[in-house]
Amino acid sequence: DGGITQSPKYLFRKEGQNVTLSCEQNLNHDAMYWYRQDPGQGLRLIYYSQIVNDFQKGDIAEGYSVSREKKESFPLTVTSAQKNPTAFYLCASSIPGGDGTGELFFGEGSRLTVL
Amino acid sequence: RKEVEQDPGPFNVPEGATVAFNCTYSNSASQSFFWYRQDCRKEPKLLMSVYSSGNEDGRFTAQLNRASQYISLLIRDSKLSDSATYLCVVESFQKLVFGTGTRLLVSP
Repeated sequence: DGGITQSPKYLFRKEGQNVTLSCEQNLNHDAMYWYRQDPGQGLRLIYYSQIVNDFQKGDIAEGYSVSREKKESFPLTVTSAQKNPTAFYLCASSIPGGDGTGELFFGEGSRLTVL
Repeated sequence: RKEVEQDPGPFNVPEGATVAFNCTYSNSASQSFFWYRQDCRKEPKLLMSVYSSGNEDGRFTAQLNRASQYISLLIRDSKLSDSATYLCVVESFQKLVFGTGTRLLVSP
């Protein structure tokens, strides 16, 4: 079955530590995205990548880094510079539509808690 | 003004009721519109795309009003299983912008 796999589902981290969230898709989608969701807020775009070896900052990229070395993989690193990292992180992929956007397929999310 | 705005709710309705949500957007050049459904502590899933002419999928009807810059979602004959948060998503400058979501609670 095709889909997006995020891991880990739950993660606890001490302040000052970097942590990497994994996102793998076997849908053969070119575009991949990382969003963050906080209670009472909509999803906010962290980084996105339209093609391998290329990615762009979203609206809240500070304190995060990504890589896109393979089409299937788009890991997100939450660095110690991110001031409020506790959140629900969602990875998504899409086949870009005619205007550059298309239906998003989401992974099940990774819930990060900083202690 | 936020790019995409929704009433957060919650909307509390009895089973069988008809309920409607609106969502306003600020970018008049937006071309793509979607409704996603998100269950508690789960990932969002596409409910339906919104086409200019309006579209219907079973009990769900989505409409777009470009002049007033809003989209709507109508749910007829509400089921208990419709309880969820409904996210309005609008394309803006080739990125998808999410609303904060409208929470629906359907009770017996």
